[in-house]
Amino acid sequence: AQSVTQLGSHVSVSEGALVLLRCNYSSSVPPYLFWYVQYPNQGLQLLLKYTTGATLVKGINGFEAEFKKSETSFHLTKPSAHMSDAAEYFCAVSGYTGNQFYFGTGTSLTVIP
Amino acid sequence: GAGVSQSPSNKVTEKGKDVELRCDPISGHTALYWYRQRLGQGLEFLIYFQGNSAPDKSGLPSDRFSAERTGESVSTLTIQRTQQEDSAVYLCASSLQGASRYTEAFFGQGTRLTVV
Repeated sequence: AQSVTQLGSHVSVSEGALVLLRCNYSSSVPPYLFWYVQYPNQGLQLLLKYTTGATLVKGINGFEAEFKKSETSFHLTKPSAHMSDAAEYFCAVSGYTGNQFYFGTGTSLTVIP
Repeated sequence: GAGVSQSPSNKVTEKGKDVELRCDPISGHTALYWYRQRLGQGLEFLIYFQGNSAPDKSGLPSDRFSAERTGESVSTLTIQRTQQEDSAVYLCASSLQGASRYTEAFFGQGTRLTVV
């Protein structure tokens, strides 16, 4: 069984501040982990993914995430928030068994000018 | 095509009517997924198609919901006798291989269904 928990349904940061969005997963098999971003009235766009190999993964728009097996976490970070980062962010997990991607409930990021 | 295409983008229907939602996946993608996203909530898995295998229908909420896929191309999601609780955004996604093969899903823009 697999699941994802995103702590904080709403996060606000000032423009230029660090962005930290939290994701913890549960998986009975080695996980594949993803972060997606959703802008208003749009579908989901992949930010980055972890499958195997390097545990620190870099994605688009300056985002990165680190897979920490001991903490079952895959937190998303960006050193300096930009106004255009305001959106809904979803963490997802899949694995080498199963037929679906399991999504968290999402975190809405607000960037304050 | 360049991406996953869904139609219509918006659909308003009367309670009790049937609706059909369409999804055109990325060419060559063997896996196709339907998810439902209610206002302010996460993604709820509905159904999964992988090649010619039997679909995984474990997420369909009731027998009013059904979906078909022709080979590795177009899929239609049908909701019969729509209810107000069916109002949501229906998202389609495709991936090169199945979710167990560490490929990411590519999403369409969604169909916003409103049942009045």
